[in-house]
Order: sequence, then structure tokens, then C-alpha cells
Amino acid sequence: KAGVTQTPRYLIKTRGQQVTLSCSPISGHRSVSWYQQTPGQGLQFLFEYFSETQRNKGNFPGRFSGRQFSNSRSEMNVSTLELGDSALYLCASSFLGSQETQYFGPGTRLLVL
Amino acid sequence: AQSVSQHNHHVILSEAASLELGCNYSYGGTVNLFWYVQYPGQHLQLLLKYFSGDPLVKGIKGFEAEFIKSKFSFNLRKPSVQWSDTAEYFCAVNVNDMRFGAGTRLTVKP
Repeated sequence: KAGVTQTPRYLIKTRGQQVTLSCSPISGHRSVSWYQQTPGQGLQFLFEYFSETQRNKGNFPGRFSGRQFSNSRSEMNVSTLELGDSALYLCASSFLGSQETQYFGPGTRLLVL
Repeated sequence: AQSVSQHNHHVILSEAASLELGCNYSYGGTVNLFWYVQYPGQHLQLLLKYFSGDPLVKGIKGFEAEFIKSKFSFNLRKPSVQWSDTAEYFCAVNVNDMRFGAGTRLTVKP
């Protein structure tokens, strides 16, 4: 079974731009969660989607948004990028939700200049 | 607010030494508890988890963890570490969403 895939793997943007990251979960998984990982803040929960509905949202500004499609693929968008948005963005999928085992992708490393 | 604390930021051990990594959380209700590991250059992967039942849970590669409800703790242990255990270890708690600890970097010297 193929694992969680994330595209792109690396991205360089400038302040003020917007970015869209994509995540394809493991086949059959309906839950996708997004996390931001930075050296200073560690792993922080962004949001979780289940069957195209946002189920939970972390403590991030409205510039961070996401969606999930009917095939469970998910995208997250960050608008008006700030330097502090530079991070590794991880996607994780599970069958029923983040309360069970999640399978992580390799992440998208975003650098904002 | 729900939080997870990992007491050790960086642990350095020699091979065959015993390991215990501390994890405490600050939620009084029913929780699901996890330890995830990130080996160098690899994805985060599950080591072990506790949902209910026997508070001593066993995971992959000889790791185990004990849930002590009265102490709000879920410490990770391994009796004898190997060089290949060098990695970053994350404790996580799920109530409504997933909260991770800051992580503990383990370096095992051969």
C-alpha cells in the first residue's frame, strides 16, 4: 500500500505570496491532519479533515486554511506569507481520525524569504 | 489548556544502556496516548499507543511505555538501546485533536 505523499517537497516563496500544499492519504483513509513543525515551536496541529469536513482546527490565524476533496486528498493554503511561516508542513492520514494511529508523509519544507 | 511535556531535550547514551524518556500531559479526562519516532531522514512513525486496558504497552523494536493515570505520565522505556535507536522521539496526546510534546533527541554512541 502506498504511503502518504506530499507535494511539493520543497518550496521557496517570498513574503506576501500565497502557497498551496497537497497531501494524498493512504488509500482508504478518510482523515487527513496537517501539522506545522518548526525548531522553536515543535509540532503544532493545524487542522483535521474527515470526509471533506473540517473536524478540528488548531490555534493558527485565518491565513491558514485547508480543504479535502471527495477522494480524501487534501490541500492546505497559506495566504500573505510571513517569514515565520517557514517550516516543515506535515500531513498525516488515518482511517477514522487523529485519535487513532496516524501515518505521516515526508512533509513539505517551506522557506519564506 | 491541553499540553504535553517532555522533560529531556537531548539524551546521549552508550549502546546497551537503559532508556527512559519522560512524558507528562495536562488533561484530566480520557486520553489516547502515543509515542512517535522520527529516524534521521525518515517520516514520523508510530512506536506505540495506549487507548485503554493494560497500562503497560509494548511497541516496536523493544520499546514499551507505562501509563500512570495518577501522575498524568506516559514514559517510554527500553532496557538496552542500540545505535540504530538514534532518533527524535515525540510523545503525543489526543483528546479532540493531537498535541505533541517538544520531542527528545536520543543519540546512542556505538
